[in-house]
Amino acid sequence: SQQGEEDPQALSIQEGENATMNCSYKTSINNLQWYRQNSGRGLVHLILIRSNEREKHGGRLRVTLDTSKKSSSLLITASRAADTASYFCATGIKAAGNKLTFGGGTRVLVKP
Amino acid sequence: DTAVSQTPKYLVTQMGNDKSIKCEQNLGHDTMYWYKQDSKKFLKIMFSYNNKELIINETVPNRFSPKSPDKAHLNLHINSLELGDSAVYFCASSQEALAGAWEQYFGPGTRLTVT
Repeated sequence: SQQGEEDPQALSIQEGENATMNCSYKTSINNLQWYRQNSGRGLVHLILIRSNEREKHGGRLRVTLDTSKKSSSLLITASRAADTASYFCATGIKAAGNKLTFGGGTRVLVKP
Repeated sequence: DTAVSQTPKYLVTQMGNDKSIKCEQNLGHDTMYWYKQDSKKFLKIMFSYNNKELIINETVPNRFSPKSPDKAHLNLHINSLELGDSAVYFCASSQEALAGAWEQYFGPGTRLTVT
């Protein structure tokens, strides 16, 4: 199975609402990253949180990391129609050659 | 200024053919990667190179062979294409700026369709 598993698989919200998605993983990591993928496009890096960090903010994004539970969450506040995309978590392991292992993604639909 | 570029963007070919996908990055990164994204959007790493040296070589059929002529380029050659090779292939690059932190920059992808 994937190292990162995301929940929910799909999310539909109204513009202005918050969107929260979760990621769980299995092994020790050096960092956890979140990426966005718009339909038919490449992935875009959103935010990276290192294993010794618990929370990180970037604009309307807030990421938490709980290494004891091996889980992370991504919160998008005040969502916009342009936030409609798939969001992927990825766990980074340096010892494996700076390898990133991606979860299955959460498809987010923000309705105007 | 495109950071990570791939060619071609679309590739339609018949079973048994051999094809190549090219990737170039102008970010000065040391590490480059190839990923395969299947129809269910699962993204799986295939290979990575650091300064032209193969670092990650996942369980990928021998028909797939990466080549890195220099640290700015990583090409993917696929022999004897099969229907199951149909997917979107992404190239990415990274540079470890801080210990334990390396974000990846992705190319736009190459959609390969094998008929």
